[in-house]
Amino acid sequence: SQQGEEDPQALSIQEGENATMNCSYKTSINNLQWYRQNSGRGLVHLILIRSNEREKHSGRLRVTLDTSKKSSSLLITASRAADTASYFCATVPISGAGSYQLTFGKGTKLSVIP
Amino acid sequence: DSGVTQTPKHLITATGQRVTLRCSPRSGDLSVYWYQQSLDQGLQFLIQYYNGEERAKGNILERFSAQQFPDLHSELNLSSLELGDSALYFCASSVAPSGDYNEQFFGPGTRLTVL
Repeated sequence: SQQGEEDPQALSIQEGENATMNCSYKTSINNLQWYRQNSGRGLVHLILIRSNEREKHSGRLRVTLDTSKKSSSLLITASRAADTASYFCATVPISGAGSYQLTFGKGTKLSVIP
Repeated sequence: DSGVTQTPKHLITATGQRVTLRCSPRSGDLSVYWYQQSLDQGLQFLIQYYNGEERAKGNILERFSAQQFPDLHSELNLSSLELGDSALYFCASSVAPSGDYNEQFFGPGTRLTVL
């Protein structure tokens, strides 16, 4: 079952513009992560934000987390054609069982036009 | 390159058949996760092993099974295959599930096509 729901489903922007993707989830989490997937290939981990953090930066990426609204956003600044990919948010539950399986959303397909 | 390897890359088979997908985790990683990605269900967690033992189960069908061997590689066995089993199957590994969370590193996936 899906935990996260990304919005929008698809996003098309010009190179150099910023891209913002949103994710909502349903249950309490240990952390939330964002992954990138180039067409039909493996997932690449981008950034992890813990439930007690509100904002995190990594290069051109900025992630925010609002646990009261159960939502997160991923901002990619100064986008490049190479950023064209699908982006997924994934949540890790609060678990005492030592399992940290990821629950993924359906993803946002980002197209960056040169 | 994540350091996680999966074989084969592509697999085409017929309904009713059985296949085995193989995953080698990153050196030093004890935990292996299997995920399925299909058009209608999206990315779903199937099962997790830690140091040879099953740790958690997700939306894994009874026709599917997995194991992790002493050398830490893992195999996912899919039997009585149906058309709907056609999907990308990913393996991911992490150092350990205990204590603070560890990032999961994904393999390139095995694309299964059931005809």
